[in-house]
Amino acid sequence: GEDVEQSLFLSVREGDSSVINCTYTDSSSTYLYWYKQEPGAGLQLLTYIFSNMDMKQDQRLTVLLNKKDKHLSLRIADTQTGDSAIYFCAEITDSWGKLQFGAGTQVVVTP
Amino acid sequence: DVKVTQSSRYLVKRTGEKVFLECVQDMDHENMFWYRQDPGLGLRLIYFSYDVKMKEKGDIPEGYSVSREKKERFSLILESASTNQTSMYLCASSLIPTGAQPQHFGDGTRLSIL
Repeated sequence: GEDVEQSLFLSVREGDSSVINCTYTDSSSTYLYWYKQEPGAGLQLLTYIFSNMDMKQDQRLTVLLNKKDKHLSLRIADTQTGDSAIYFCAEITDSWGKLQFGAGTQVVVTP
Repeated sequence: DVKVTQSSRYLVKRTGEKVFLECVQDMDHENMFWYRQDPGLGLRLIYFSYDVKMKEKGDIPEGYSVSREKKERFSLILESASTNQTSMYLCASSLIPTGAQPQHFGDGTRLSIL
């Protein structure tokens, strides 16, 4: 079955760039998503990328997609303390719009 | 903005109780989903619904049922709560089952079964 993998933890200094990596297995996925979860809250959609794109940029966020390697990454430029959260990548797995989520990457931003 | 509202942020129930978790969305979305979130496991799909009175099992439906009598409301039911159902429960909705229509999430219900 489908499986989405992420590293579980990332520590980054304030002002540096963060890169969160994700690998997926379903080559037929049409859309891939990044969600952010702050403590005690639900998931907030950050951005998404269509499978025929290599890169998408949205202000401080850059998404890179390598379809050959089934690798997705999220780069956060100029990381701030408010970026401390859990980040989930997810892929669409069927025509009903079901998502398969990774386990989430806990990002901790230190001063 | 899409608003997905879960009726309770925190809930404490006893083993064997019947538990109802309610979710309402205000954007006329066709699809609604229930997940549970456990540390290190990410989100796992329990049930989803693509229309009123329609439901499909997700990856972990055992011990749960759902109800969707109206388009805007999707209820998760724990028929006889057990301690291994202590978890964070998240509801989501999406507009149509294709395209870049992302799922929008509620704030979650943290359920403790004693």
